[in-house]
Formats: sequence, structure tokens, C-alpha cells
Amino acid sequence: DVKVTQSSRYLVKRTGEKVFLECVQDMDHENMFWYRQDPGLGLRLIYFSYDVKMKEKGDIPEGYSVSREKKERFSLILESASTNQTSMYLCASSSDRADEKLFFGSGTQLSVL
Amino acid sequence: SQQGEEDPQALSIQEGENATMNCSYKTSINNLQWYRQNSGRGLVHLILIRSNEREKHSGRLRVTLDTSKKSSSLLITASRAADTASYFCARPPQTGANNLFFGTGTRLTVIP
Repeated sequence: DVKVTQSSRYLVKRTGEKVFLECVQDMDHENMFWYRQDPGLGLRLIYFSYDVKMKEKGDIPEGYSVSREKKERFSLILESASTNQTSMYLCASSSDRADEKLFFGSGTQLSVL
Repeated sequence: SQQGEEDPQALSIQEGENATMNCSYKTSINNLQWYRQNSGRGLVHLILIRSNEREKHSGRLRVTLDTSKKSSSLLITASRAADTASYFCARPPQTGANNLFFGTGTRLTVIP
């Protein structure tokens, strides 16, 4: 069964902390994505990666960075967490085939206090 | 905004009734996808309809696409309490990149 695993379901951090959100997929997918989800705003793309060591900015990259050192792992980094980064973070992956669907992890609910 | 719009934002029906959710978008598309999200969880892909298709079925799901009106609808027939979830439409960008733009979702509640 295909799987996208996010390292934490819930996370509580303090403002100014450096935060790492980890995502691993076991489907040998080329593409990986980080979205954040906020009530009334739907899902917004933060960053995505179509290959190892490659990254592309999404709609809201400010305050975030990413790392993809291995094909199966895509990390989202909050260099200095702020309260407005409190959100549900969703990782997803997909293959490079045309019309391909996204497979999502279970999400990480991050609270920044 | 690149997001689509789902309508209605929330829908409450009795078990056994049909539920219809609509999605509008602004640009041309190659395909449109529908996803489901149970509360506090990740999204699960339901169905994909290509731009040259007008209707597609999967079990109790029926999706239609009208590219001239830039709209799609998801119909769930004979709803069950377990269908309670949020439903999102999503479309790829015109650039050909592999990400998806998601709508804001419809929250469906099916009352037993």
C-alpha cells in the first residue's frame, strides 16, 4: 500500500524556534509537495520539488525553506517560527506520469506559541 | 487567486439523500480532480476527469465537467454517514508543472 508519512501529527513550538517537518514517501515518486491548510483558505502550496536537490516556490514560500537530499524525503523548515505559521501542514507526492494524482500524508498540526 | 471555488461551503443532508457539490475555476485545464478529507486528516484522491470528458462515474460518485462554463460538479448518491467529510476540487496549473491548485472545499455532513 502506498504511503506518505509525516513525522509528527501534532507539534507545539515557541516563536523564534527553528522547526523541521519531515515527510517520507515509499512510492519512488519524483514529485513532492508541501501545502498548508487554514480554515476558509483551503490548501495553499508552499514549496514543491520535482527531483532530488531541486525545489520550486509555491504561492506562499515566505518564511519557509525546504530540503530534498534524497528522493524519498522532503523536509519543510521554518527558520524562525512565528504565530502566523500556526497551521495544518500537508505533505504530498506524485509520479511524473501525466494526469497523476497526489498522495497525501496525514498532516502535521503545528501550533506556534 | 489561482484557487477554485467550491459551492456550497457547507452542506447538511439526511442519510440516503444525494449530495451535489460544485466547483468553478478560471483558466483552461487538462484535468480536474476531486479529493476527500476526513476531519484533521490528509486528503484522499477520489476521481479525475480529463478535459475531453464530460462525465465520469466511480461507485456512488458521479463527476461532470463543463469546460465552456469552467465548472465541475461532484454528486454522491445514496449518501451515508461515513461520507461526512470535506470535499475539494483541484486543477493543475497551465504551466504543466505537477502541482495542483485546490479550492476552498465543501464541508458535507450526512445525518444518520
